[in-house]
Amino acid sequence: GENVEQHPSTLSVQEGDSAVIKCTYSDSASNYFPWYKQELGKRPQLIIDIRSNVGEKKDQRIAVTLNKTAKHFSLHITETQPEDSAVYFCAAHLPGFQKLVFGTGTRLLVSP
Amino acid sequence: KAGVTQTPRYLIKTRGQQVTLSCSPISGHRSVSWYQQTPGQGLQFLFEYFSETQRNKGNFPGRFSGRQFSNSRSEMNVSTLELGDSALYLCASSSRPPSYEQYFGPGTRLTVT
Repeated sequence: GENVEQHPSTLSVQEGDSAVIKCTYSDSASNYFPWYKQELGKRPQLIIDIRSNVGEKKDQRIAVTLNKTAKHFSLHITETQPEDSAVYFCAAHLPGFQKLVFGTGTRLLVSP
Repeated sequence: KAGVTQTPRYLIKTRGQQVTLSCSPISGHRSVSWYQQTPGQGLQFLFEYFSETQRNKGNFPGRFSGRQFSNSRSEMNVSTLELGDSALYLCASSSRPPSYEQYFGPGTRLTVT
């Protein structure tokens, strides 16, 4: 069945450092990979996404890369700031289903 | 556009009772998905509705059900509540496929005692 593994579960960095979160998916038919940021007590917010026909996408300080052959994708945050502290979830979408399979989340802590 | 809204935001119920949660999608969005979020299991897919039809269902017992109305608003119902049903229930809406982007509501925090 479909499965998404996410690592690490927690990540602590100093302000200004880069942070990388990695996810691996099992179903090669997956064609859409969003990333969500969830601050404490708030709803998950879509921050960036990538489709299977693209290898990399950037939006200011965040970027996502996709390796279809290896079935993994990563979130890169550069020049981290304290307000980047949150739980980040990756997900994979199966074509034909309006269903996202989520990773287990990464708690990112950015220290000033 | 107004975002996805959910009511109620907080709910406390007793084991054995039933509960109904409501979700209003973003205007124009016709697909509504429901997820259960718990600290131990993360975000788990419950079901998805499009044009009043359930198109996909996750691995949850039959006590969990849902429906969608003609205005795209959706409800989910949990009968015979168990302590393990305590969770944050999130709904997400998306526009007509093949748009995959899903936008979440604030969630309903359900506590079963």
